[in-house]
Amino acid sequence: AQSVTQPDIHITVSEGASLELRCNYSYGATPYLFWYVQSPGQGLQLLLKYFSGDTLVQGIKGFEAEFKRSQSSFNLRKPSVHWSDAAEYFCAVGNFGNEKLTFGTGTRLTIIP
Amino acid sequence: DADVTQTPRNRITKTGKRIMLECSQTKGHDRMYWYRQDPGLGLQLIYYSFDVKDINKGEISDGYSVSRQAQAKFSLSLESAIPNQTALYFCATSRSGGAQDTQYFGPGTRLTVL
Repeated sequence: AQSVTQPDIHITVSEGASLELRCNYSYGATPYLFWYVQSPGQGLQLLLKYFSGDTLVQGIKGFEAEFKRSQSSFNLRKPSVHWSDAAEYFCAVGNFGNEKLTFGTGTRLTIIP
Repeated sequence: DADVTQTPRNRITKTGKRIMLECSQTKGHDRMYWYRQDPGLGLQLIYYSFDVKDINKGEISDGYSVSRQAQAKFSLSLESAIPNQTALYFCATSRSGGAQDTQYFGPGTRLTVL
């Protein structure tokens, strides 16, 4: 069965600093990988996704993520965070032929001035 | 206007009451989903629907039922609410379904069962 681990429950970063949110997955074949963001009081919005090809994926709002098969990871990065990036971030994994996405437990990001 | 809307946004009810949460979408998508979100647990799939004639159970369907009244509408019912159904509920849609397709989420309904 597929699973997703987001080891960091809460991360605090200074505005303008770089960010990396960790995501590890468990699945035998090549997975479909997603990062969603949930702003306070809002639903989830897709930041980026990976299916195949280039392992470095660019998303919206200046985010990127890198698929590393050898480490079963799909970490989300941003070179310089803005106060508006404060939100909860969810990594999710799916696979071909399965309607179900498996979500991680989320990482809450706090930005300090 | 939002593409995926949910009503109500907040609801407080008592144990044993019947509750219906509604979801409407203007995206023209065939596939719709209901999730619940609990703190520290991420999102769990309750039900999903490929079209008005095709409804499927997710991983936590016990205690819930759904109705797909039209392509644009997908309702979630709690026949007899219990306190451990207190959660944030999300509706989502996708164009073609399958795990590779982007899901678009509504703003959520916060349900409290006393």
